[in-house]
Amino acid sequence: KQEVTQIPAALSVPEGENLVLNCSFTDSAIYNLQWFRQDPGKGLTSLLLIQSSQREQTSGRLNASLDKSSGRSTLYIAASQPGDSATYLCAVRPGGGGTASKLTFGTGTRLQVTL
Amino acid sequence: GAGVSQTPSNKVTEKGKYVELRCDPISGHTALYWYRQSLGQGPEFLIYFQGTGAADDSGLPNDRFFAVRPEGSVSTLKIQRTERGDSAVYLCASRSVRGLGEQFFGPGTRLTVL
Repeated sequence: KQEVTQIPAALSVPEGENLVLNCSFTDSAIYNLQWFRQDPGKGLTSLLLIQSSQREQTSGRLNASLDKSSGRSTLYIAASQPGDSATYLCAVRPGGGGTASKLTFGTGTRLQVTL
Repeated sequence: GAGVSQTPSNKVTEKGKYVELRCDPISGHTALYWYRQSLGQGPEFLIYFQGTGAADDSGLPNDRFFAVRPEGSVSTLKIQRTERGDSAVYLCASRSVRGLGEQFFGPGTRLTVL
């Protein structure tokens, strides 16, 4: 059974700092990995998706990397801003095709960027 | 175009009552998912539809939970004889069979069972 772990559970940084959020998964047979952002009381906003054959994806100040063999992904946020404050979730989709497409989520990292 | 929408945004009910939660996926997305998120946790998978049929319902916790998607678009999650432990945010997501396989989520329905 796939298990996804995110470290740290919570993080507080001053504005302008670069930061890294970590995600690890136990079964490396994945199809893709998605990073999401969730604001309090809201749904999930997709940030980046990395296919199993890719090593990284970038969008603006965000960069996500994937090391499938070691079961790890990182989300790098450059020059953090107070508006980045939210919970960040990673989720993996299993490989194998067919009906296997449900996402398994970590419990998230709650980020606070202070002025 | 419009994203995934869910109604109602909030639902308060009493223990033992029946509830229906609705999801409108992104137009043209044939894959639809229901997840449940408890406070402080990541979402947990409930059921996956490909078109009108449930391709994977392995996440439904028991037979009080049922979901339908009769025309391959809108889906309804139905919970019978609600229990206090059913209180959670119910999230719906949809995905196109084309493209990268990204799942897009709705804002969720917060269910509170008193």
